[in-house]
Amino acid sequence: QKEVEQNSGPLSVPEGAIASLNCTYSDRGSQSFFWYRQYSGKSPELIMSIYSNGDQEDGRFTAQLNKASQYVSLLIRDSQPSDSATYLCAVFTGGFKTIFGAGTRLFVKA
Amino acid sequence: KAGVTQTPRYLIKTRGQQVTLSCSPISGHRSVSWYQQTPGQGLQFLFEYFSETQRNKGNFPGRFSGRQFSNSRSEMNVSTLELGDSALYLCASSTLAGGPRNEQFFGPGTRLTVL
Repeated sequence: QKEVEQNSGPLSVPEGAIASLNCTYSDRGSQSFFWYRQYSGKSPELIMSIYSNGDQEDGRFTAQLNKASQYVSLLIRDSQPSDSATYLCAVFTGGFKTIFGAGTRLFVKA
Repeated sequence: KAGVTQTPRYLIKTRGQQVTLSCSPISGHRSVSWYQQTPGQGLQFLFEYFSETQRNKGNFPGRFSGRQFSNSRSEMNVSTLELGDSALYLCASSTLAGGPRNEQFFGPGTRLTVL
């Protein structure tokens, strides 16, 4: 079992829709959870951080964490073509390492 | 505030050679992590340095090494290059001393091609 798992996609949504990206992790001692956005040919950019159960909102982005289910999600409301990118889930584990998922490719169709 | 810088941005080497990559973290950041990114394996953790000490290491062979200087700048070295070492090497710096709120900020990366 991979430490951090994401559906590789691609996930395709129409412009204006809600995109839902999911991530599961294996280490129950994990403490912090992050979402990064990576455009093709660019480096990852931190877009959301979440540390406790529940929702964390920032503009059109909402991160959701459920530690009991070892599940993190990212919702993107009113998706725009400029949101088309690969989204990486990252988990700061009990072993004091940040482990990245393989990423989910998102396409937002105009 | 300037972001994370990495040099060089592109590098072409041949098998058997060695290479040194450099990373300057965001001012005030003392933790630097290195990652290898390939299409097949995604982002793989190499190692992390804090205050000139390697605090954590990923599952890479000993050909991969690194160090950190007193000004927090870091270098990584790959010796005896193999074709499979072709990848984007990313450096990330973080604000806190490895605590739970370990937000990392990435540099633009060094694209290494091994021929």
